Parts: sequence; structure tokens; C-alpha cells
Amino acid sequence: DAGITQSPRHKVTETGTPVTLRCHQTENHRYMYWYRQDPGHGLRLIHYSYGVKDTDKGEVSDGYSVSRSKTEDFLLTLESATSSQTSVYFCAISGTSGANVLTFGAGSRLTVL
Amino acid sequence: GDSVTQMEGPVTLSEEAFLTINCTYTATGYPSLFWYVQYPGEGLQLLLKATKADDKGSNKGFEATYRKETTSFHLEKGSVQVSDSAVYFCALTPSGTGANNLFFGTGTRLTVIP
Repeated sequence: DAGITQSPRHKVTETGTPVTLRCHQTENHRYMYWYRQDPGHGLRLIHYSYGVKDTDKGEVSDGYSVSRSKTEDFLLTLESATSSQTSVYFCAISGTSGANVLTFGAGSRLTVL
Repeated sequence: GDSVTQMEGPVTLSEEAFLTINCTYTATGYPSLFWYVQYPGEGLQLLLKATKADDKGSNKGFEATYRKETTSFHLEKGSVQVSDSAVYFCALTPSGTGANNLFFGTGTRLTVIP
């Protein structure tokens, strides 16, 4: 997956618990993204980062926070998971915003019971 | 707002059949258009792209032509193989914006049977 590793790949948790998903890249790309994939919705952007400590909201950011303390790591946190956050989460990277071409990780499947 | 509409699946074809997956878009100006493919258990990967009207993107035998007059970017392949079984996503970025404004369609699942 072109130097992108997501962890964990699968997680089952209970409503109300905190969850953190990690995305690690070895490409030294500036831009990193978190998407969720749901049936009937395609992929929707949650948050993205355009540099260390620089992040912004996407289309479906409510209930999620992110952090990027190093170029290679982008963390997605669900402070208090809900069943509506059951989804497959994908991290993606791009070298320059203008290139508009994303490289995706293999995904993290999260189930909130 | 900007959006992409693609044909609903699933699509099931026999090996060597002709494939068309329709994609139309709504956007002002000249967006960039993409097709991404997701193989089972994997993340999406770029299949092809086109950045201006009448451009044809092509890769792995797949083609799509940017048609401004019909606001379309249909994906075609002349002879599909079992290994083409995947989910295909049409996407766009509005003109003058970056990948943080990448809008995806809902995906079309293709199954190719021997």
C-alpha cells in the first residue's frame, strides 16, 4: 500500500468508549486524510492535515478529532464512540494538494456495539 | 454543490464482455475527474484521471473521456477479466481546489464471472 500503514485493521468496541486509529506513512508526504466508507455514501472526508499540527475539518467531522505531531503519523480519535460511527476508515496521503491524486491505506474496520 | 452520480450496481458480466460504468457530474467550471478502483480487502487506488475537457484517461485497458457537453466521464473497457472484479468510484475535484475537496460517487461493484 505504497508506504501507508493503518492500525488497528479491525476493532470492535462498545458505545461510549474512546477509540484511536493510527495512520503511518513512509512517503514523507505533506497531506494526509481520513475518510469513512459507508454503503450508499461512497467515501466522505472526516479531517485532513496539510502539515505537522495543521489540520482542518472535512464533510463529516462531528464526533471526531485528529492530531498530527509528526509528518509520518496522523491519528483519528473518537472521543466517545457511537453506533453511527461503525464504518470502514481509510487513511490517504498526497504529495501536493494540486496533484489531487490520493494513495490509500488498506482500511480499518470499526464496529461499535 | 459539486457532486458525482454514478450508476448503481452491482454489475455482473461474463469474461471478455464490454464494460461501461456511467458517471455524470455537477460542478462549475472545469473540475478534474478521476476513477478509483477498490479491490477486495484493499484501499482505493487511482485507475485513471482527466483534467480538462476532451481529455481521455487510460490505464490497464480502461478508458474514460471527459465530456464537458454532457458532464460525463464514463468508464469503459473492451474486454473484462475476472481480475477486474472490484468496486469502481468516480470522483471529482472542483477547478482550482485540492484533494481536500475530492468528491466521490457511491461506487459500482463489478463482478466478472468466468
